[in-house]
Amino acid sequence: SAVISQKPSRDICQRGTSLTIQCQVDSQVTMMFWYRQQPGQSLTLIATANQGSEATYESGFVIDKFPISRPNLTFSTLTVSNMSPEDSSIYLCSVFTDGNTIYFGEGSWLTVV
Amino acid sequence: GDSVTQMEGPVTLSEEAFLTINCTYTATGYPSLFWYVQYPGEGLQLLLKATKADDKGSNKGFEATYRKETTSFHLEKGSVQVSDSAVYFCALSDQGYSSASKIIFGSGTRLSIRP
Repeated sequence: SAVISQKPSRDICQRGTSLTIQCQVDSQVTMMFWYRQQPGQSLTLIATANQGSEATYESGFVIDKFPISRPNLTFSTLTVSNMSPEDSSIYLCSVFTDGNTIYFGEGSWLTVV
Repeated sequence: GDSVTQMEGPVTLSEEAFLTINCTYTATGYPSLFWYVQYPGEGLQLLLKATKADDKGSNKGFEATYRKETTSFHLEKGSVQVSDSAVYFCALSDQGYSSASKIIFGSGTRLSIRP
């Protein structure tokens, strides 16, 4: 298993600002993922972040809007840029670990006003 | 592409009732299958998993059997409790490809249990 810590856990942000979410894992992992869960919806993969390379973004997500850093094997950040109310969501960090299982952090609950 | 289809909710049951949440999948490889649970106001927790055909995952009284012939992974519990009220997500990860495997989620099923 893996223990994943995310910061902030919740935030209320002003329209037009940017917010960086941090994800810390208690062990070294190759692959980290960032998901978005809009209110009442399922999870949508934003991007896959591997250490030492640029993140791979899914269709509909771009680096300018969601820049990602992956400086080492235990840490990643996701920035939500130039936020609008449509960005109000839960953002979840996850990692692939033993037995081909993905574990999730508690999520960062963002409200844009 | 790969996909997961879940029984639509919400599902409302009385305490001690039998629960089934249907989940079917399509995949080109040999996926691992998962059920995740999201309690109100919380993140996702892995509930159970199965990595190959005929495997049964179980946890907290919940069970699901990997049925390759029907491409299904239905979630069951014999006697639900109020504390089981949550949103349940069926998911798969296709391990038939490279290490770039990712997880694909169903739409989620909201379960409410009446005392």
